[in-house]
Formats: sequence, structure tokens, C-alpha cells
Amino acid sequence: DTAVSQTPKYLVTQMGNDKSIKCEQNLGHDTMYWYKQDSKKFLKIMFSYNNKELIINETVPNRFSPKSPDKAHLNLHINSLELGDSAVYFCASSPRVAGGHEQYFGPGTRLTVT
Amino acid sequence: AQSVTQPDIHITVSEGASLELRCNYSYGATPYLFWYVQSPGQGLQLLLKYFSGDTLVQGIKGFEAEFKRSQSSFNLRKPSVHWSDAAEYFCAVGGYTGGGNKLTFGTGTQLKVEL
Repeated sequence: DTAVSQTPKYLVTQMGNDKSIKCEQNLGHDTMYWYKQDSKKFLKIMFSYNNKELIINETVPNRFSPKSPDKAHLNLHINSLELGDSAVYFCASSPRVAGGHEQYFGPGTRLTVT
Repeated sequence: AQSVTQPDIHITVSEGASLELRCNYSYGATPYLFWYVQSPGQGLQLLLKYFSGDTLVQGIKGFEAEFKRSQSSFNLRKPSVHWSDAAEYFCAVGGYTGGGNKLTFGTGTQLKVEL
């Protein structure tokens, strides 16, 4: 009965490849997010979706394309992977878009680009 | 723009000792404040949150935090640390910023516990 799940947990790939990370939440939340955690553990928001609609895009390169088929799923597709994309990517969800509700995080996907 | 500062990158305490992790925030309105903990190789777990009301909030695992508006601080405390508390701790401020609700995190404080 995992609340926010991500697959895969680890992803090792070569520069130039395209890869996807999947996220699912079973909390019934309306809003989902992608965060990137760099090698210094700094967490920064990338995207936010509310009911399948993109509401936050934090100047992320166009190579990153989120997609939300329904409000329980938010996937992240990355084209032409670069060394600098190596990081841990966290998916999160919250009940509503406004009001400062707490966010619930998935276990993370460690992406290594060689 | 909202921001969070965690001045201590590393803190080491002895098991059984008290703990205080510092957090200062910058936000234009009443902030929503959070503390998360990240154990090695794990995701982030919410320890506690402040939205309004009582400025001393209690969380899980025996943690508490005090919101001080005059000091723009939201420090995390625990009276007696256990070895299992060793982890990375993140303070975050949340709010609706025109495009949606987002959390802005501090750079984290790594806690080591000496036995």
C-alpha cells in the first residue's frame, strides 16, 4: 500500500539516450511534482501538475518532458541525456494545489549518466 | 521569492544529548513551514509542519519545532537523540506562488550521532 511509488529505483544509461521515470500515487491527491536532488543533496522543484494540467515549470531544459495521463500518474521523460542530468529524481504529491499542503515523496530514482 | 537557509551543514551529537537544527526562512506572507528527514538512500519523510496557530508544533519521532516570526526561524529540536536519528534534515517553506504550490528547500543539515 505504498503511497507514492516510482520506477525504476536505479537507472544507469549512456549520454545521448532517452529514458523515462514513472510515478504513481494512491493517495487520491490532485497535485503531483517532480524534484531533482543533485550530488550536494540540494532539492529543487522541476514541475508541478494539478489534475493533469501543468502549473509549474521551473526553467527546466526542453529535454525534460513531464506527462500526466491521469491525476494519479506523473511520468518524466528525458531526451538526449547529459552527464549533468545525473541526480536523484523525486516524485511527490499533495492534496490540492494551493494552501501550502504538505507533500508526500516517493523513494526516488537515482539516474546515472555515463 | 521564498528561500530557506540552514546554516549548519553538518552537526554531530552524542546519543542521548539534545539537538537543535536551525532554519531561517524568507517569505512575503505567513509561511507554511516543514521539516523533512531523509535517511541514506531513502525518500523524504515529513517530520512536522506549521501552518498557523500554536507556534510550537509536535511531530513524529519525538521532534518538535518552534516558529518565531520575529526571527524568521523554524528550528527543529529533540530532547534526546537516538542513533537512528542520524540522517539528512531539510527545512522547507511552501506557498502559492502564482503558478502553483511549491516547496523551497534549504540545503540540508547532516546529523551524525556518536554512540
